[in-house]
Amino acid sequence: KQEVTQIPAALSVPEGENLVLNCSFTDSAIYNLQWFRQDPGKGLTSLLLIQSSQREQTSGRLNASLDKSSGRSTLYIAASQPGDSATYLCAVRGDSNYQLIWGAGTKLIIKP
Amino acid sequence: DVKVTQSSRYLVKRTGEKVFLECVQDMDHENMFWYRQDPGLGLRLIYFSYDVKMKEKGDIPEGYSVSREKKERFSLILESASTNQTSMYLCASSSLDRAWEKLFFGSGTQLSVL
Repeated sequence: KQEVTQIPAALSVPEGENLVLNCSFTDSAIYNLQWFRQDPGKGLTSLLLIQSSQREQTSGRLNASLDKSSGRSTLYIAASQPGDSATYLCAVRGDSNYQLIWGAGTKLIIKP
Repeated sequence: DVKVTQSSRYLVKRTGEKVFLECVQDMDHENMFWYRQDPGLGLRLIYFSYDVKMKEKGDIPEGYSVSREKKERFSLILESASTNQTSMYLCASSSLDRAWEKLFFGSGTQLSVL
């Protein structure tokens, strides 16, 4: 059964730093992986979608990488800003059904 | 801009009431989902639908039902609300084309059952 883990559960860094959020999964037979952002009390916003055949995706200051063989994805945030403060979740889709398997998220705080 | 709209941002109901949560999407997406999100438990899938009048149970369907009479609308029904159904409910949609299946979420409904 696929399990998705995000470590650490919380992270606090000063503004301007580059940082990496981690997502690991136990079954490498995935179809794709998505990274989401959630602001407090709000819904989720899709940030990046990586297909299983891809190694990375970029959007602005965000770069997500995927290493299926090791069961890992990272979300790199360059030059962090206070507005990046949010909870970041990753979700993995397997090949066989419509369901996503979710990580519990990393709560990120960027200190001004 | 693409949009998933949930009818209520906050809802307070009494135990035993029948509760309807409505979700509408304007992207002509085939797939629609209902999740609940609780602290420490993450997102859990309640039901999903991949076509009009079609529905599939997710991980925690007990105590819930759904309705999809039109492609753009997916309703979650709590037949007899209980206090353990107090939660944040999130609706989402995606395209059936798996190559482009980013998931789009509504803003959520915070439901309190007293």
